[in-house]
Amino acid sequence: GAVVSQHPSWVICKSGTSVKIECRSLDFQATTMFWYRQFPKQSLMLMATSNEGSKATYEQGVEKDKFLINHASLTLSTLTVTSAHPEDSSFYICSARARGISNQPQHFGDGTRLSIL
Amino acid sequence: GESVGLHLPTLSVQEGDNSIINCAYSNSASDYFIWYKQESGKGPQFIIDIRSNMDKRQGQRVTVLLNKTVKHLSLQIAATQPGDSAVYFCAETPGTSYGKLTFGQGTILTVHP
Repeated sequence: GAVVSQHPSWVICKSGTSVKIECRSLDFQATTMFWYRQFPKQSLMLMATSNEGSKATYEQGVEKDKFLINHASLTLSTLTVTSAHPEDSSFYICSARARGISNQPQHFGDGTRLSIL
Repeated sequence: GESVGLHLPTLSVQEGDNSIINCAYSNSASDYFIWYKQESGKGPQFIIDIRSNMDKRQGQRVTVLLNKTVKHLSLQIAATQPGDSAVYFCAETPGTSYGKLTFGQGTILTVHP
């Protein structure tokens, strides 16, 4: 149980394009999901906390208009990178809180590798 | 503040050896700690956790030690296997176990057969 799926796993697109990444909790409901960014050989950096039915909470330095987060249902959160540029190329990872069915604080997806040309 | 590094330290061991991976954290308010394993191209995978009211916890082939005095956490892997090769991160969270996680620097573990 407590499986988190991300889609797509890899995307390559041209500069200026907007890219949407989906994060789904497959066998549980997640009122809270988290979005992280990881650059090569670096740690995970929390970008924002996504709460179902309300606005996301962004970490300091993360542009909310650049990284749009929607958490419209208890099993789906989306991250849209708007007008992506090469510096946005990174590994984006989501996680979901599975309170009640797991003793782990968060369950992670397998990430989305975003490459902007 | 956050414990985030720019260049991951590395640890190379021979198969069968014991491995010790260390982590320093900075937030005195953190009271729940987790070790994650991340394989190439994948998300973090839970290994073991420990609360601040404990100083040691054992799992299968893994042991986590917590020293709150010096804000230090370690992960010991017994009889390391090639499949243990990955990046290992510690993470911390204050308050309840369902709070925001702050990830540590990470260590690249390479196990040679």
